Amino acid sequence: KNQVEQSPQSLIILEGKNCTLQCNYTVSPFSNLRWYKQDTGRGPVSLTIMTFSENTKSNGRYTATLDADTKQSSLHITASQLSDSASYICVVSDRGSTLGRLYFGRGTQLTVWP
Amino acid sequence: EADIYQTPRYLVIGTGKKITLECSQTMGHDKMYWYQQDPGMELHLIHYSYGVNSTEKGDLSSESTVSRIRTEHFPLTLESARPSHTSQYLCASSISGTGATYSGNTIYFGEGSWLTVV
Repeated sequence: KNQVEQSPQSLIILEGKNCTLQCNYTVSPFSNLRWYKQDTGRGPVSLTIMTFSENTKSNGRYTATLDADTKQSSLHITASQLSDSASYICVVSDRGSTLGRLYFGRGTQLTVWP
Repeated sequence: EADIYQTPRYLVIGTGKKITLECSQTMGHDKMYWYQQDPGMELHLIHYSYGVNSTEKGDLSSESTVSRIRTEHFPLTLESARPSHTSQYLCASSISGTGATYSGNTIYFGEGSWLTVV
C-alpha cells in the first residue's frame, strides 16, 4: 500500500532556531516528491519539488533533501520566523498513471514562538 | 502567487440544500482537482479533470458531482447536503508537462472552501 508518513506530528521551536521535518514514503514507482506549506485555513503553497535524480533543493530558508534509495526526505528550516508557523505537508507522486497520483502525508504542525 | 480562486470561502447551510462550490483558474492549466481535507488530516482526492468535458472520480468516494465545460472553470456540486459533508474543500490545478527534462509540474491550490452543514 502506498503511504506517506511524516514526523514529528507537531513541533514547537523558538524564533531564530533551525528545525528538520521528516517524510518517509513507500510510494512506488516513484515520480517526484513535493513539500507544501499550509497556513491555517488556507490552501497549500508549494515549497519544493524533487525528482528521483535530485537529492537536495533549496527555496530561501527551506532546504529539502531526498534519498530515493531509503525513500526518505527531510525539510530543513533555517533561522525560523514567526511566519513559518504552519503545517508542512509531504506529497509523493507515482508514475503509475497519466495523472501521476499524489499521496499526501498528514503534515507536521510547526509552531514558532517569539 | 497562484491565480486560482474559490468561492465561497466559508458557508453554513442546512441539511438537504443544494450547494455549488466555484473554482476558477486563469493560468490556462489543463488539469484540475478537488480535494477534501478534514482538520489535521491528509488531503483526499474526490474529483479530477484532464481537460474540457473530462471528469473522473478520485480516491475518496463522494456524493458530489463536477463539470468541466470551460478550461478555467471546475465547479463542484452537492445536490443534497448532509452534516457528513462538513469539511474543507480545496480546488487545485496544474499543467501537463512533456519532454526529456520535464521534472514534474507544480500543483497550485486555491484558498479552500469551508463548508458546514447543520
